[in-house]
Amino acid sequence: EPEVTQTPSHQVTQMGQEVILRCVPISNHLYFYWYRQILGQKVEFLVSFYNNEISEKSEIFDDQFSVERPDGSNFTLKIRSTKLEDSAMYFCASSEGTASSNYGYTFGSGTRLTVV
Amino acid sequence: DQQVKQNSPSLSVQEGRISILNCDYTNSMFDYFLWYKKYPAEGPTFLISISSIKDKNEDGRFTVFLNKSAKHLSLHIVPSQPGDSAVYFCAASAGNTDKLIFGTGTRLQVFP
Repeated sequence: EPEVTQTPSHQVTQMGQEVILRCVPISNHLYFYWYRQILGQKVEFLVSFYNNEISEKSEIFDDQFSVERPDGSNFTLKIRSTKLEDSAMYFCASSEGTASSNYGYTFGSGTRLTVV
Repeated sequence: DQQVKQNSPSLSVQEGRISILNCDYTNSMFDYFLWYKKYPAEGPTFLISISSIKDKNEDGRFTVFLNKSAKHLSLHIVPSQPGDSAVYFCAASAGNTDKLIFGTGTRLQVFP
């Protein structure tokens, strides 16, 4: 069964450093997403991406965050200057259709980001 | 922001019995609802969804019921199996947005 692949599975970084989280969505999917889950809290939407541009972003997704689909297969999330509160599990997801269509997202296994 | 609530953090059910997981929402603009299952160290896995034009959707052992007037939905799993033990998330979306709003999850344990 096709799957969304995320690397690395765990990343430790120092506060203020830049990190890039990588994702390979399912090849025929058109919609791409990043979500995160801070330990003990709910899964939160960060950003959606369609047709090579951001289609929607949350208030969490400030100027420190950016996304890119550099080569038609990878989908990356960059955090420019990490803060302690960025520590969370980051999930990439892809879908054939939008959230309100009859397609469930397929999520990756996540990258656990620890900022020290 | 508590637009989607799962008030039971955990549920324990005997194998073979019915598991009922509940979810309440406050935003009347939500028109699509989904249930996800999550094992530790894995991402959420899509289970079943329902559009607001329906009140029931069934897929094998899983049935989702939607009560729009009460802003409530539930997931029924019957019969429950030990492999169903996981955290279950309810999620909702509105037609004018492309994001899912998740609940806090209910940890289901199915014991033999």
